[in-house]
Amino acid sequence: DTGVSQNPRHKITKRGQNVTFRCDPISEHNRLYWYRQTLGQGPEFLTYFQNEAQLEKSRLLSDRFSAERPKGSFSTLEIQRTEQGDSAMYLCASSTSPGDRGSGNEQYFGPGTRLTVT
Amino acid sequence: AQSVTQPDIHITVSEGASLELRCNYSYGATPYLFWYVQSPGQGLQLLLKYFSGDTLVQGIKGFEAEFKRSQSSFNLRKPSVHWSDAAEYFCAVGASPRNAGNMLTFGGGTRLMVKP
Repeated sequence: DTGVSQNPRHKITKRGQNVTFRCDPISEHNRLYWYRQTLGQGPEFLTYFQNEAQLEKSRLLSDRFSAERPKGSFSTLEIQRTEQGDSAMYLCASSTSPGDRGSGNEQYFGPGTRLTVT
Repeated sequence: AQSVTQPDIHITVSEGASLELRCNYSYGATPYLFWYVQSPGQGLQLLLKYFSGDTLVQGIKGFEAEFKRSQSSFNLRKPSVHWSDAAEYFCAVGASPRNAGNMLTFGGGTRLMVKP
């Protein structure tokens, strides 16, 4: 088990460009989450998938953001027409399905992708 | 809506001293509570969790936390801090995974510094 991996680890882009991040969850985990963390703040939920279905999106996820998980394994998060306010750490997490209370709830986080928009 | 407050933005303790990090939550039902630690430039590592049962839960690295429903608190403690514990600590609350995706709501974090 190699844990949750994210690529790239760092991305610097110019305002107006599109960027795409990838997340590979723990292999047996069917839930995958995206969070955004700005400097000095706690992570904020963006969206989550159960298998390939995107089941919830935060109002933080503007129309410029799109996430996919086409085969229920890895996921991509794309930001179109980046703005300086998009600069943040983008974190991916995964978990198992809910089971009995007390199981299937822990989310395991990847190292994150730090985006800087200049 | 659920929320988490970590009243202390920064805490400095001497190595070997005891530690308590405060966390207060707001949630309408029985919460799922977590503490995560984040080292600079890294993702979050789960320290411990509370779902039900014994209100004192043990975690990794010698940490423990106590759930107090009457105070809506879930404070993190360690009897003797090591220099390697210097990091940012986040408390989080989640909904029942059966009702929602169990997205987590995080507090603003407490940065722990350890003096030699």
